[in-house]
Amino acid sequence: DGGITQSPKYLFRKEGQNVTLSCEQNLNHDAMYWYRQDPGQGLRLIYYSQIVNDFQKGDIAEGYSVSREKKESFPLTVTSAQKNPTAFYLCASSISFGMSYNEQFFGPGTRLTVL
Amino acid sequence: AQKVTQAQTEISVVEKEDVTLDCVYETRDTTYYLFWYKQPPSGELVFLIRRNSFDEQNEISGRYSWNFQKSTSSFNFTITASQVVDSAVYFCALSLRAGGTSYGKLTFGQGTILTVHP
Repeated sequence: DGGITQSPKYLFRKEGQNVTLSCEQNLNHDAMYWYRQDPGQGLRLIYYSQIVNDFQKGDIAEGYSVSREKKESFPLTVTSAQKNPTAFYLCASSISFGMSYNEQFFGPGTRLTVL
Repeated sequence: AQKVTQAQTEISVVEKEDVTLDCVYETRDTTYYLFWYKQPPSGELVFLIRRNSFDEQNEISGRYSWNFQKSTSSFNFTITASQVVDSAVYFCALSLRAGGTSYGKLTFGQGTILTVHP
């Protein structure tokens, strides 16, 4: 089945630790995205990648980092610089970034909790 | 800057009732796309519909229907004869077609939590 997988489903982190969230897609999509979801605030864009070896900051990139070394993979690292990292993180992909009519396909999400 | 507002934070209905979820958007662009997504308890967002700014025809898909009105900048979603399985968070989103720093990105509303009771 084609789709997006995210792991782990639940993640607990101690303050001061970096953690990496995995996102893999087998849809052969060029564009990938990371969103953060907080209660009552909708989804906010953290980073996006239009193509392999390229990525840009979204609206709330501070305290996060990404890489795009392979087309199918777009891992997100939540660093210790992120002051309030507890949230639900969603990865998405679309056929092409340049085509705004293309819907984004979402993974099942990772719930990160800082202890 | 563009903005999407879903003023209804939570809606609670009894099964078989009709329910309308409101979505109001703001943009200065004349070409854009509007989307609705459903987020069931499992967490994954599911694409429901896309509408471009030049197509104001209403759309019906089974129990779902959408009313797009450019004059009021609204793209409302109606579920007819609601069912328990419709319980989810519903998001409205806007994508600009070209130009500016928001090109190609989705701007989401805050979401509406719909609970359908048996």
